Amino acid sequence: TQLLEQSPQFLSIQEGENLTVYCNSSSVFSSLQWYRQEPGEGPVLLVTVVTGGEVKKLKRLTFQFGDARKDSSLHITAAQPGDTGLYLCAGGGSNYKLTFGKGTLLTVNP
Amino acid sequence: NAGVTQTPKFRVLKTGQSMTLLCAQDMNHEYMYWYRQDPGMGLRLIHYSVGEGTTAKGEVPDGYNVSRLKKQNFLLGLESAAPSQTSVYFCASSKGGSARDIAKNIQYFGAGTRLSVL
Repeated sequence: TQLLEQSPQFLSIQEGENLTVYCNSSSVFSSLQWYRQEPGEGPVLLVTVVTGGEVKKLKRLTFQFGDARKDSSLHITAAQPGDTGLYLCAGGGSNYKLTFGKGTLLTVNP
Repeated sequence: NAGVTQTPKFRVLKTGQSMTLLCAQDMNHEYMYWYRQDPGMGLRLIHYSVGEGTTAKGEVPDGYNVSRLKKQNFLLGLESAAPSQTSVYFCASSKGGSARDIAKNIQYFGAGTRLSVL
């Protein structure tokens, strides 16, 4: 069974601060997806990384896939209240199913 | 664009009652999934389908049944609801394909159904 561990589980910061969320596993994944979920809604895909060492940027968000494709990180620069939400990482394997981490609940206070 | 639509959005059941959750997608996706989300547990796969007329068990299938009679619909049934099934249920769909075809493996989620079993 493939497991994804996310840390931290909760994060409360002030507007303008930087933060990093981690997603780690002992298993290799063919791809790693990051989703954001807002209250009362379903998860929405932010990015997919597929190559070891890959870095993708989405405005103030930077995503990295580990060289061994076992871990990933999400870095947010100058966080804003609109970044508040549950961030989920999900690993893709050799089939069509995803393994989800338990999520990081981010609160950005104005 | 409707995407993935779940009905109902909220439901309260008494222990032992039955109900069906409906998921409909208008993207002509082959694969569909049912998850439950509980505090501190993340998203756990209940059942999934890789095409019309097919279903398979996921990580936590006990107490649930599913059917995929039409490609666009995926139904989740609770035959005899239990308090342990109180949760938020999400349906998702994807085009489906090999793991190398990343675009085909992106899952699109509905807004969820909040179910309470008393």
